[in-house]
Amino acid sequence: TQLLEQSPQFLSIQEGENLTVYCNSSSVFSSLQWYRQEPGEGPVLLVTVVTGGEVKKLKRLTFQFGDARKDSSLHITAAQPGDTGLYLCAGATWTNAGKSTFGDGTTLTVKP
Amino acid sequence: GAVVSQHPSWVICKSGTSVKIECRSLDFQATTMFWYRQFPKQSLMLMATSNEGSKATYEQGVEKDKFLINHASLTLSTLTVTSAHPEDSSFYICSARMVRGDTQYFGPGTRLTVL
Repeated sequence: TQLLEQSPQFLSIQEGENLTVYCNSSSVFSSLQWYRQEPGEGPVLLVTVVTGGEVKKLKRLTFQFGDARKDSSLHITAAQPGDTGLYLCAGATWTNAGKSTFGDGTTLTVKP
Repeated sequence: GAVVSQHPSWVICKSGTSVKIECRSLDFQATTMFWYRQFPKQSLMLMATSNEGSKATYEQGVEKDKFLINHASLTLSTLTVTSAHPEDSSFYICSARMVRGDTQYFGPGTRLTVL
């Protein structure tokens, strides 16, 4: 069974602060996705990383895939209230019948 | 691109009735679709994997006779909750994966309330 440990589970910060969310596993993934979900809506894809050591930036969000493709991080700079939501990481492998392994999620609240 | 729709977005039904939820990939073909259930403030719980033209694969503990899945085309999968009971009330989300690639694209979800 593949596990993807996501931390922290909850994060409450003030507007303007920086934060990092981590996803760690003992399994190697062919790719890893980060999603953001707002209440009552489906998860929205933020990024897919596929290459070990890859870094992708999306405005104030920086995503990194570990060299061994077992872990990933999401860093948000100068968080804004609009960043509030549930952040999910998901790891995909070729050997898991096409299924992805999801982290338990990080609930981020950014206070104005 | 990669838009997935779900219908209905919410439904209220009486206990004992059946409810069908549709999941469509609007601008791409999806050989594989997934159905998830999500409880408040929790992550996604995979219910089943739906493959076009074949039987769905259910996760352990999910009753296949209770949650009927049909994937009749490369753009449509349906989930039917049969003989719904209040404990089936939940947020159901589908996702679709392109023919090539392993990124899942999610629908907006369906809120089911069984009275």
